[in-house]
Amino acid sequence: GAGVSQSPRYKVAKRGQDVALRCDPISGHVSLFWYQQALGQGPEFLTYFQNEAQLDKSGLPSDRFFAERPEGSVSTLKIQRTQQEDSAVYLCASSFLPRDLGGTEAFFGQGTRLTVV
Amino acid sequence: GENVEQHPSTLSVQEGDSAVIKCTYSDSASNYFPWYKQELGKGPQLIIDIRSNVGEKKDQRIAVTLNKTAKHFSLHITETQPEDSAVYFCAASTHAGGTSYGKLTFGQGTILTVHP
Repeated sequence: GAGVSQSPRYKVAKRGQDVALRCDPISGHVSLFWYQQALGQGPEFLTYFQNEAQLDKSGLPSDRFFAERPEGSVSTLKIQRTQQEDSAVYLCASSFLPRDLGGTEAFFGQGTRLTVV
Repeated sequence: GENVEQHPSTLSVQEGDSAVIKCTYSDSASNYFPWYKQELGKGPQLIIDIRSNVGEKKDQRIAVTLNKTAKHFSLHITETQPEDSAVYFCAASTHAGGTSYGKLTFGQGTILTVHP
């Protein structure tokens, strides 16, 4: 596709339920980021992949959060035993190259709005 | 780690006026400063960026200035139009500390409203 695609757009989960959020980056993009955006706030970094390697997961808030990108393209962010504080928009972004190899612009998807009730 | 502060949180202007949004950052190693526009229900979209080796950059009605000494950078929008209404985010990124891949630290956002 032409841009970063995320699915589902909206997800309502009952507290304690597991959820999986999908990101289809722009074809050929090496770098993939996940960000969490709470209501009225700026996005906050969760994790980074370079191809299939997860190089940074320092932003994941707890061990209930897990991300993977097994073939270096599609990525999934999984949240186990969801809690109300997990309610947020989850944004995926991709860029052609890492910045230290000359990459610049990160393209964001529309996000998945997760509501935990 | 990096901390980015953004002001004001809301900005209301009349169509045709200029709008200025300011950000400060804490990590002197930061060297890339993008600005994003986010419309309701959409992801952030890059509108302009600046690197630390440049003091100013302009693209039509939008300009960004950077003061490395003071560690602050600003977005200037001239001749504002109603379609400029959105939330604007500044961000900072660094090569240092293993974040050479471009991890962004965002400001809190500014809600810009342009009245016709």
